[in-house]
Amino acid sequence: DQQVKQNSPSLSVQEGRISILNCDYTNSMFDYFLWYKKYPAEGPTFLISISSIKDKNEDGRFTVFLNKSAKHLSLHIVPSQPGDSAVYFCAASTGANSKLTFGKGITLSVRP
Amino acid sequence: SQTIHQWPATLVQPVGSPLSLECTVEGTSNPNLYWYRQAAGRGLQLLFYSVGIGQISSEVPQNLSASRPQDRQFILSSKKLLLSDSGFYLCAWSVWTGGFGEQYFGPGTRLTVT
Repeated sequence: DQQVKQNSPSLSVQEGRISILNCDYTNSMFDYFLWYKKYPAEGPTFLISISSIKDKNEDGRFTVFLNKSAKHLSLHIVPSQPGDSAVYFCAASTGANSKLTFGKGITLSVRP
Repeated sequence: SQTIHQWPATLVQPVGSPLSLECTVEGTSNPNLYWYRQAAGRGLQLLFYSVGIGQISSEVPQNLSASRPQDRQFILSSKKLLLSDSGFYLCAWSVWTGGFGEQYFGPGTRLTVT
């Protein structure tokens, strides 16, 4: 039973355009959501997070949107750059000090 | 600043051989520690986590085990490796800050069982 789903395995976007990465979850107890970025043969790096009390969090080119009623979150990258090409993981937790449940990841390719 | 180390970076082991992967964290005290595995074409699977010395929780039944002999040291072991143990193993840490704690990952170990 996959509680965090990233249904699209890959996304290709032109440089300068917006990248929208989607994530759905099934566990209504999740109250904290994170996005990680991973390059091949490296560990994931924390990108941005959002608490369930918010519906938007922005950090530079990265914005995460949370729709609790739809159990859906998305990561927007504007403008997309070739260096953004990586695998992006969505993760969720049920609170502080707890485990993270990860999605399977989505491979983003930004074309020059 | 905090740093997390994993070694070795790559490892090729025959089926049936033992395994020991080590992870250490610097610059923080009493972290939560985690072992994940990323198999080919799959996401991150939590294997073990630890909230303190000697305290290990297992998430997935398998032939792997974990130990935490010191506050900032986490070890992943196996007595006899299987082909299915191949993958990218990641150690991560987090701390309680009164809010929500992100997990921070090490560089990973690429294990190939032949």
